Amino acid sequence: GAVVSQHPSWVICKSGTSVKIECRSLDFQATTMFWYRQFPKQSLMLMATSNEGSKATYEQGVEKDKFLINHASLTLSTLTVTSAHPEDSSFYICSAKVRDRLMWEQYFGPGTRLTVT
Amino acid sequence: QKEVEQNSGPLSVPEGAIASLNCTYSDRGSQSFFWYRQYSGKSPELIMFIYSNGDKEDGRFTAQLNKASQYVSLLIRDSQPSDSATYLCAVKRGGGNKLTFGTGTQLKVEL
Repeated sequence: GAVVSQHPSWVICKSGTSVKIECRSLDFQATTMFWYRQFPKQSLMLMATSNEGSKATYEQGVEKDKFLINHASLTLSTLTVTSAHPEDSSFYICSAKVRDRLMWEQYFGPGTRLTVT
Repeated sequence: QKEVEQNSGPLSVPEGAIASLNCTYSDRGSQSFFWYRQYSGKSPELIMFIYSNGDKEDGRFTAQLNKASQYVSLLIRDSQPSDSATYLCAVKRGGGNKLTFGTGTQLKVEL
């Protein structure tokens, strides 16, 4: 299957600072990547869809100025949490859509656990 | 009504038994259906996907889809303790990108 990596795997930051999370497709090109957030005991909630070379599409209720997404290449998307607050502490997971399949599949990265103190 | 509904469990089955996980969805425009396994603290791992009505088998796993009744299920034969995890059902509309997830069913396979 396709391999998606994320970096860092966990991060602790102080309230008010910004954190950047990277998502890379290692063995395939991903025109579309997705960013999810998962709080404890809850399911994955899609935050935004990231398309290479264009602006991200955010889900309702997700602040685009707070969660900055950049998809500069076919293998890299980044999520920057700006002015992080404790309520932003969560498990952030990216996924990538496999490009060359007729029926596409979505593969997940290992996730980044963010703790804001 | 939630778009994708799953019983949160936990569903407990003895080792070697068949585990049956169910999922219902509300959007009749859903065309693709996925089952993911998620271990505690880890990200989801794709197990199976199904697009057509009927059964699809892959090893110990069988996905079943009934679009008329709007449900999809996952059977795990010969359940092993390593199958203990949360199983997430996800659906996608035809032509769309977005996956909508259920809240997951926790499966416990007991020795």
